Amino acid sequence: AQTVTQSQPEMSVQEAETVTLSCTYDTSENNYYLFWYKQPPSRQMILVIRQEAYKQQNATENRFSVNFQKAAKSFSLKISDSQLGDTAMYFCAFQVYKLSFGAGTTVTVRA
Amino acid sequence: DTGVSQDPRHKITKRGQNVTFRCDPISEHNRLYWYRQTLGQGPEFLTYFQNEAQLEKSRLLSDRFSAERPKGSFSTLEIQRTEQGDSAMYLCASSVGLDFDEQFFGPGTRLTVL
Repeated sequence: AQTVTQSQPEMSVQEAETVTLSCTYDTSENNYYLFWYKQPPSRQMILVIRQEAYKQQNATENRFSVNFQKAAKSFSLKISDSQLGDTAMYFCAFQVYKLSFGAGTTVTVRA
Repeated sequence: DTGVSQDPRHKITKRGQNVTFRCDPISEHNRLYWYRQTLGQGPEFLTYFQNEAQLEKSRLLSDRFSAERPKGSFSTLEIQRTEQGDSAMYLCASSVGLDFDEQFFGPGTRLTVL
């Protein structure tokens, strides 16, 4: 069984600043994918960024980047130049075929 | 709109009633997943289909729950004799068909059991 832990229930950041969300996971699998999903208030879940476990290079998507430490089973998300539209719940997820999610981190971007 | 759709978006029911939700995946997506999300928590896996075959059911899926995907296209999730603990958002996701394919989520069906 896989477990995903997000230890930060809430984070607040000033517009244009940087925020980092932490995530750790536990698994005995060797081949898996990791994801960060964004769920805005009352809106559907959308994929922010994905990381293949066999790749050492950290994934980057525009203002979003990850720090993947496979040995430490750590997968943090950095949001640079935060925008008001980034306000949402962010979920870290682990995939072998089904997704296992963390409890989420609520990110609020202040104007 | 060619995304995943779910119907209804909201359902309020009384305890003991049966409810059925529908999910229409992205066309030609062979995999379909159901997840349940309670308030303030991450989604939890319930079950998934490869075409019309149901390949796994979580232990969260009690015998009051049944899911079908009769023709490998849309899927239904039925809850019989609803309980207050069934109140949650029920999410559907679809993917092309391989284990690591991206899953695309629908808007969810919010169930409230009174």
